[in-house]
Amino acid sequence: NAGVTQTPKFRILKIGQSMTLQCTQDMNHNYMYWYRQDPGMGLKLIYYSVGAGITDKGEVPNGYNVSRSTTEDFPLRLELAAPSQTSVYFCASSYSGYDYNSPLHFGNGTRLTVT
Amino acid sequence: GENVEQHPSTLSVQEGDSAVIKCTYSDSASNYFPWYKQELGKRPQLIIDIRSNVGEKKDQRIAVTLNKTAKHFSLHITETQPEDSAVYFCAAWGSSGYSTLTFGKGTMLLVSP
Repeated sequence: NAGVTQTPKFRILKIGQSMTLQCTQDMNHNYMYWYRQDPGMGLKLIYYSVGAGITDKGEVPNGYNVSRSTTEDFPLRLELAAPSQTSVYFCASSYSGYDYNSPLHFGNGTRLTVT
Repeated sequence: GENVEQHPSTLSVQEGDSAVIKCTYSDSASNYFPWYKQELGKRPQLIIDIRSNVGEKKDQRIAVTLNKTAKHFSLHITETQPEDSAVYFCAAWGSSGYSTLTFGKGTMLLVSP
């Protein structure tokens, strides 16, 4: 299994540009997540999904959009990039249910710089 | 929602010493508590976890304890080695419906040879 795969690994955007960060997992996990991590800081939840067709906002959703059309894929869309969105973005997945939770598996991250 | 506090933010120890990182949580119904290690420039990786029906769990030099009454849990690393140097995150998962994992702010552990 490849686990959680994120592309691209690095990206530089100009202010106002848009892009999509790709995330796919092959573990048949139902939950998927997007976190951002600013330098020297913790993990902040942007969006998450409990299954195909269902998404919900996390702690810092402004400026981002997501979709979950399949179990495997959970792309993150940045519209009108701003310098404040310079960060490392981690996608993660887990198998979780109403009364059961398993560890999150993280991808290797996408390092995004907006200038 | 759940709130997780983690202390200390930085911890420096000598090789061979023990290290303890402490976390508290707010949701008394939280039932799952993982710990992640993140090396510089890498992704967070699970090192140990504990569920609410267990008070302590060990894996070689790493142990986690959980006190449900006091709503706190701790990570214990014995015989620390330089390769233990990293940022460690605690997390808690509430049981209120389809909740998510809430992370602490992290502890940077520095192990000096």
